[in-house]
Amino acid sequence: KAGVTQTPRYLIKTRGQQVTLSCSPISGHRSVSWYQQTPGQGLQFLFEYFSETQRNKGNFPGRFSGRQFSNSRSEMNVSTLELGDSALYLCASRKGGPNTGELFFGEGSRLTVL
Amino acid sequence: AQTVTQSQPEMSVQEAETVTLSCTYDTSESDYYLFWYKQPPSRQMILVIRQEAYKQQNATENRFSVNFQKAAKSFSLKISDSQLGDAAMYFCAYRSALIANNDMRFGAGTRLTVKP
Repeated sequence: KAGVTQTPRYLIKTRGQQVTLSCSPISGHRSVSWYQQTPGQGLQFLFEYFSETQRNKGNFPGRFSGRQFSNSRSEMNVSTLELGDSALYLCASRKGGPNTGELFFGEGSRLTVL
Repeated sequence: AQTVTQSQPEMSVQEAETVTLSCTYDTSESDYYLFWYKQPPSRQMILVIRQEAYKQQNATENRFSVNFQKAAKSFSLKISDSQLGDAAMYFCAYRSALIANNDMRFGAGTRLTVKP
């Protein structure tokens, strides 16, 4: 069974640009969560999608957005990039619904903003 | 809001020895899940062990076991017979069993070094 796949793995952008990251969950998983990981702030929750609906959102500015498609694949977008957006962005999936267990993580997309 | 605290930024253990990583959490909920995740350098995060709060018995997975103290809100991870491959960042995580508050909260992590 294929794991969670994130693309691209690495990318470099400049301030003011926007970026779109993609995540394909494990087959059969309907819930996708996104996390930002930085050395200073650790792992911070961005948002979670289930059946194309945003179920939960973390404390991030509106520049961070996401969506989920009918095949459960998810994308997150960051507009007007700032230097502080440099981070490892992790996607995680689970079967979805309440009380359904642990998250399965992808390898992450490492974003560097210059 | 639920918070997870890992008070040991770094730990070191000799190969084949035992090490315990600490984790405490703060919550007013009675039904939740606790997890330990491992993140090796430049590799993806994987689940080590999980514990349901309603279960009194401590979870074990081969060399990994937890000491879950619900009243004290403590959830430590014990690694027995440490191996070089255990070297990684270890994250303690909490997730509420309530639907509306279901995101996973992570501690700051403990970097474990295993000495040969």
